[in-house]
Amino acid sequence: GENVEQHPSTLSVQEGDSAVIKCTYSDSASNYFPWYKQELGKRPQLIIDIRSNVGEKKDQRIAVTLNKTAKHFSLHITETQPEDSAVYFCAAVYNKLIFGAGTRLAVHP
Amino acid sequence: DTEVTQTPKHLVMGMTNKKSLKCEQHMGHRAMYWYKQKAKKPPELMFVYSYEKLSINESVPSRFSPECPNSSLLNLHLHALQPEDSALYLCASSQGPLVVGGRDTQYFGPGTRLTVL
Repeated sequence: GENVEQHPSTLSVQEGDSAVIKCTYSDSASNYFPWYKQELGKRPQLIIDIRSNVGEKKDQRIAVTLNKTAKHFSLHITETQPEDSAVYFCAAVYNKLIFGAGTRLAVHP
Repeated sequence: DTEVTQTPKHLVMGMTNKKSLKCEQHMGHRAMYWYKQKAKKPPELMFVYSYEKLSINESVPSRFSPECPNSSLLNLHLHALQPEDSALYLCASSQGPLVVGGRDTQYFGPGTRLTVL
């Protein structure tokens, strides 16, 4: 069945460093890959997404890349800030959202 | 407006109680979802309503009963829950139902924190 693997499970960086989270998916039929940020006690919030017709998308300090051949997609956060600390979930869309297990990002001042 | 609202924010109930969770969206979305989320885990899909009809039930125990009174509202009726049902219950919606190869975006509500005593 459909599966999304996400790495690392935890990531600790210093403020100003970059952070990269990687995901792989199993079924090549998926064309849409959203990323959600979830702060403690809050809702998962869509922060960026990518569709299969593009290889990269950027929004200020956040970028996502997609390699459909390898079935990989990644989230890149540059110039990290303490408010970036949260759990990040990647997902692939089939007839439902298939989530990765999540990455807990801690940004230390 | 990309807002999904949920009430109540918090709910504490005993194992013999009956309660309901409510979800509302006014974005004209035609698909709505219930998820259960335990600490440190991703959201786990429970039910999907597409055009007000139940389209997916992920083998959820019958003590959880969903209802979609109209295209803007989604309820989750709770009865005889167990302590292990304590979790964050999230509602979500998307423009259309998610399909293989589709490109709809799903938006989440703030959730109801449920505690079963």
